[in-house]
Parts: sequence; structure tokens; C-alpha cells
Amino acid sequence: NAGVTQTPKFQVLKTGQSMTLQCAQDMNHEYMSWYRQDPGMGLRLIHYSVGAGITDQGEVPNGYNVSRSTTEDFPLRLLSAAPSQTSVYFCASSTQSHGQGIYEQYFGPGTRLTVT
Amino acid sequence: GIQVEQSPPDLILQEGANSTLRCNFSDSVNNLQWFHQNPWGQLINLFYIPSGTKQNGRLSATTVATERYSLLYISSSQTTDSGVYFCAAAQGSTLTFGKGTMLLVSP
Repeated sequence: NAGVTQTPKFQVLKTGQSMTLQCAQDMNHEYMSWYRQDPGMGLRLIHYSVGAGITDQGEVPNGYNVSRSTTEDFPLRLLSAAPSQTSVYFCASSTQSHGQGIYEQYFGPGTRLTVT
Repeated sequence: GIQVEQSPPDLILQEGANSTLRCNFSDSVNNLQWFHQNPWGQLINLFYIPSGTKQNGRLSATTVATERYSLLYISSSQTTDSGVYFCAAAQGSTLTFGKGTMLLVSP
């Protein structure tokens, strides 16, 4: 049981390049989400998904796209990278109750992205 | 959305000391978690505690949901406790983090 995995661990992009951050979980969790962490800001929610085919925006969605075609995978796409997207990105997953919301979140190891 | 505030923002302790970290949240929540982010950046789940009290070794946590706060207690601190402690509160399908408490435990 690997939990939540993320690839790559590190990435350097030039402004305007595109890339996809990968996230996978093997716990059969319906709920998955992406966060970014900037110094002094804590973690901020980018996008989340309550199940395959369903995604929604979080606090800071601009510049990022997501899709959820399977329960296991939730990739995050940067279509045209900007220096403001330099950050550490975390993926998380959890079970959920459709009446009570999300339960305990489990986080991946993170991807450190630098945009020059 | 919900606001999550943590205090203190920074804390320096001598090894062996005890400490209490606080997390206030602005609205009712269905989930409250505490995390430790170690110096390598890994987020480690400490407690899932929407209400009540839990203990795990030298750490314990209490959430008083009706008064909208949670406390994390660290007893007999060790240098390995250093890092940033986050609380995060969930409303529905979104989890909001506080800005964290940076803890440094010196030998």
C-alpha cells in the first residue's frame, strides 16, 4: 500500500512551458485535492475532486487545470507556467461522506516546482 | 470561507519542556486535523480530531467544537519535534490550513 504518490519530486520550468504534475492513490479514496505551499502562507487549496468525473475550484485555481478520469489518479496541469507558480505542490486524498464532508486527509510527499 | 488562525507563530523550547499550540477557527467544521511538517517538507498526520481529546505518546490534542478551537500539547519535547505544526479545518469538501507554528527545540 503506497498511499499517495507524486511525480516528479523536483521540476524546473521556463516561463510559458507546460507540464503535468502526477498524483495517484491506492486507497480507493473518492476525494482528492491539490494544494500549493508558499513561504509563510500555509497550504492553499487549488482544485479538488469528489469522485471520478467531478472537479471543482479551490481558493487559488487560476493557471491550473485538473481532470479526474479514474478514482486513482488526479493530475494537475500548468498550461503556461509563470514565476508566480514557483511553489511546493501537495496532493491529498481521503474518504468522504456525502452528507458529512471529507474525513482524514492523507498527503503525498510533494513536488517542488521552480519557474524561471 | 472559514478562517483558521494558529498561535503562536514561532516557538523556541529547550529539550524536555512542554508546550501548547492553539488553533482557532471561525465557523463550525466537520473535520479538524493536526500535521507536523518535518525539515524535509513531509506532512505527517498527527491527529484527526473533529471533537474531544486524543493522545499519542507525548502528544495529545483537544478540540472544543462548540467554542471553535483546538489545542495540541507536546510534552517532554525532543529535538526531533522541531518543524512546523499545522492545523486544518474542513467545511464540506474543502480543507483550510492555518499558517502554522514553527517550533524549534534546542538540545
